Amino acid sequence: IVLTQSPGTLSLSPGERATLSCRASQSVSSSFLAWYQQKPGQAPRLLIYGTSYRASGIPDRFTGSGSGTDFSLTISRLEPEDFALYYCHQYGGSPTFGGGTKVEIK
Amino acid sequence: EVQLVESGGGLVQPGRSLRLSCAASGFTFDDYAMHWVRLAPGKGLEWVSGINWQSGSLDYADYVEGRFTISRDNAKNSLYLQMNNLRSEDTALYFCAKSQGASVVGAPGGLDSWGQGILVTVSS
Repeated sequence: IVLTQSPGTLSLSPGERATLSCRASQSVSSSFLAWYQQKPGQAPRLLIYGTSYRASGIPDRFTGSGSGTDFSLTISRLEPEDFALYYCHQYGGSPTFGGGTKVEIK
Repeated sequence: EVQLVESGGGLVQPGRSLRLSCAASGFTFDDYAMHWVRLAPGKGLEWVSGINWQSGSLDYADYVEGRFTISRDNAKNSLYLQMNNLRSEDTALYFCAKSQGASVVGAPGGLDSWGQGILVTVSS
């Protein structure tokens, strides 16, 4: 299953809302779609699993949604620490990652 | 606290082999599937391989199938990746990651803990 993320880069200001998209080449069970955040020099961090469940310690400004082939991650109000790379990941079949979306400061 | 520490990386010539290790602590290792994920320069995350809790189910990405072998030793709380016939495109930071479930495919919860990664450079 190929995951295509868009946009490639999102330029926003702190306090703005970010919406990241992840489209799958075939249907993915909502139980098996996750989102990760990665900052330079750090390991990825699990944000969302099962499409909409926040991982431990993840603030509620991060929301995951979607079904079938279309999924999204919304950050309601960007904090300075949210500017990073974000990846979607499906693990219902042989696991794959999307190409990533960079959220950068405008 | 969950800790995953990778080792065994380095510079290797094309066609040669390398074995990565991942030492796990802070959780019941043999309850969970484990994975290797890599980050190549200028690219995004790539899933490499996964192994279920009892080594009965292994899975590989197409680009490493037949060259890489994943294994685990539950008695030693360790995960391994034997990499043979290495290519320049295998150059990457390799992460060991813990699943929230016991199976490679269809396990609930995604990858909830990651090591800091180990660099593998394939170059002549």
